[in-house]
Amino acid sequence: NAGVMQNPRHLVRRRGQEARLRCSPMKGHSHVYWYRQLPEEGLKFMVYLQKENIIDESGMPKERFSAEFPKEGPSILRIQQVVRGDSAAYFCASSPAGTDNSPLHFGNGTRLTVT
Amino acid sequence: GDSVTQMEGPVTLSEEAFLTINCTYTATGYPSLFWYVQYPGEGLQLLLKATKADDKGSNKGFEATYRKETTSFHLEKGSVQVSDSAVYFCALSVTYGQNFVFGPGTRLSVLP
Repeated sequence: NAGVMQNPRHLVRRRGQEARLRCSPMKGHSHVYWYRQLPEEGLKFMVYLQKENIIDESGMPKERFSAEFPKEGPSILRIQQVVRGDSAAYFCASSPAGTDNSPLHFGNGTRLTVT
Repeated sequence: GDSVTQMEGPVTLSEEAFLTINCTYTATGYPSLFWYVQYPGEGLQLLLKATKADDKGSNKGFEATYRKETTSFHLEKGSVQVSDSAVYFCALSVTYGQNFVFGPGTRLSVLP
């Protein structure tokens, strides 16, 4: 029973390149959340998606960042023209559809390093 | 808006000591409350949860009681082990909302 799968685990990009982070939710989960964690800091909410819909992107920077969760395939967090400040761990979490009080299930994260 | 406050870390204890990590919240709805644990290099794992007032969540020797009157959900363990060293996050979700709110995390180090 696979949990939330994120890849890659580690990603190195030079300034100005694009970073693509992938997240496959747990089987049967259709809600996906993305969080960013800076070293020695807590989690910052970025975006909440359901299949083919962005529900809440209030934590997402207005420029360079985008997210999608297509009908088929994983959720993708895309960062264009990366800068050093984007270096962080990015965590994806999922939960079942339509259930209250459901905990989030987290992946092991993608650690992005911008050089 | 909704928020979660945790005690500042790091917390350093000797093995077999008693642990308390304080957590208080503000919420406009009637939230569910959670404790998550993060081990080095890993994602967050659910430790325990409580969905209504006076509920006690428990797991692996950890406990927390949902106190509506004090808006608190303090984490306790009677005897910590070295393997409990991790970062602990308190979190809430409100049933009408769509987002979880996490506290800043408290780092626990347990020394042998």
